[in-house]
Parts: sequence; C-alpha cells; structure tokens
Amino acid sequence: EAGVAQSPRYKIIEKRQSVAFWCNPISGHATLYWYQQILGQGPKLLIQFQNNGVVDDSQLPKDRFSAERLKGVDSTLKIQPAKLEDSAVYLCASSLDLRTSVFGELFFGEGSRLTVL
Amino acid sequence: AQSVTQLDSHVSVSEGTPVLLRCNYSSSYSPSLFWYVQHPNKGLQLLLKYTSAATLVKGINGFEAEFKKSETSFHLTKPSAHMSDAAEYFCVVSEGGSYIPTFGRGTSLIVHP
Repeated sequence: EAGVAQSPRYKIIEKRQSVAFWCNPISGHATLYWYQQILGQGPKLLIQFQNNGVVDDSQLPKDRFSAERLKGVDSTLKIQPAKLEDSAVYLCASSLDLRTSVFGELFFGEGSRLTVL
Repeated sequence: AQSVTQLDSHVSVSEGTPVLLRCNYSSSYSPSLFWYVQHPNKGLQLLLKYTSAATLVKGINGFEAEFKKSETSFHLTKPSAHMSDAAEYFCVVSEGGSYIPTFGRGTSLIVHP
C-alpha cells in the first residue's frame, strides 16, 4: 500500500514570496491533516479535513495560509506572502475517518521543509 | 480541552541501558494516547497506542507504555536501548470530543555507544 505522498520535500523562498505544498493521502482515507512543525517543537495542527469539508482550521493563519481538498482526495496548502517565522516542516497526515483519528493511527508523509530567507 | 506535556526535551542513555521518556496528559474525556517516533528526515511512525483497553501497552521495537489515570501519565519505556532508537519521540493525546490529535513538544533520545 502506498503511503502519504508530499511534495516538494524542500523549498527555499524569500519573504513575501508564495509557496504551495501538495499532499496525496493513503487511498480511501477520508480524514486529512496539515501540521506545522517548527524546529524543536511538536507538530501543531493547521487544518483538518473530512473528505472535502473542513473540520477544524482554528489555528490556521488565514491572512496568509490557505488549504483546499476539492475532490476529497489530495490537498494543497498555500502560503502567501511568506514570513520568516513560517520556516518549518509541513507535515501531511491521513487517517481512515474521524473515529480512527481518535482511536487509531495517523499515517504521515515525510514532510515538506520550508526555509524562508 | 486536551494537552500533553513531555517532561524532558532530551534524554541521554548508554546502549544497553533502560529508556524512560515521560509524558503527562490533560483531557476532559477518556483519552486515547499514542507515542510516535520520528527519525531524521523521516515521517512520524506509530510506536504504540492506548485506547481504554489494557493499561500496559506493548509496541514495536520493544517499547511499552503504561497508562496511569491517577497520575495522568503515559510514560514510554524500553528495557535496553539500541543505537537505532536514537530519534525524536512524541506523546499524543486525542479525545472523542475534538477528534484532533494534540502533540507534545517531543523528547530527543540520544543513545551513546
């Protein structure tokens, strides 16, 4: 079974530029997460989707971050304009459904490392 | 509201000695608790989980954890560390009220030869 795919693995941009990250979850997984992991910290949830609907985006900085999952499969996270403090690894994870997210396993991609200069 | 506190940012052990990584949680509901491991430049991998069944949970690679409700703890242990155990470990809490897994800040396990 293929795992969670993310791209690009690495991205370097200057502040005020824009960037987009792509995630393809495990086939059949309804729930998808984007986490931000700043160096030395634990992952922080940015947004959670159930199929193509948003379950929680309370910690997403909506003035610069946006995310979509139009067909309920793959997802895109965009940052525009980027700030220095956005330098982090952006992790995508998926689970079978919301119940599994509580009682079961999240499957993670390898992450997209963003450096903002 | 749920939260998790990993009490040590770094733990250093010698190969062959026991490992103890400490985690305390706070939850309004009966929580599910997890430990994930992250090797450098790799995705997070589930080590073990507690979901209200047996309080002593066994995971992969010889790790285990014990859920202690009275102490609100879920410490991770391993009898004998191996060099390949060097990684970042995250304690995670999740509850039915929010469906949002919340991560601790992580504990870096360093294993000396």
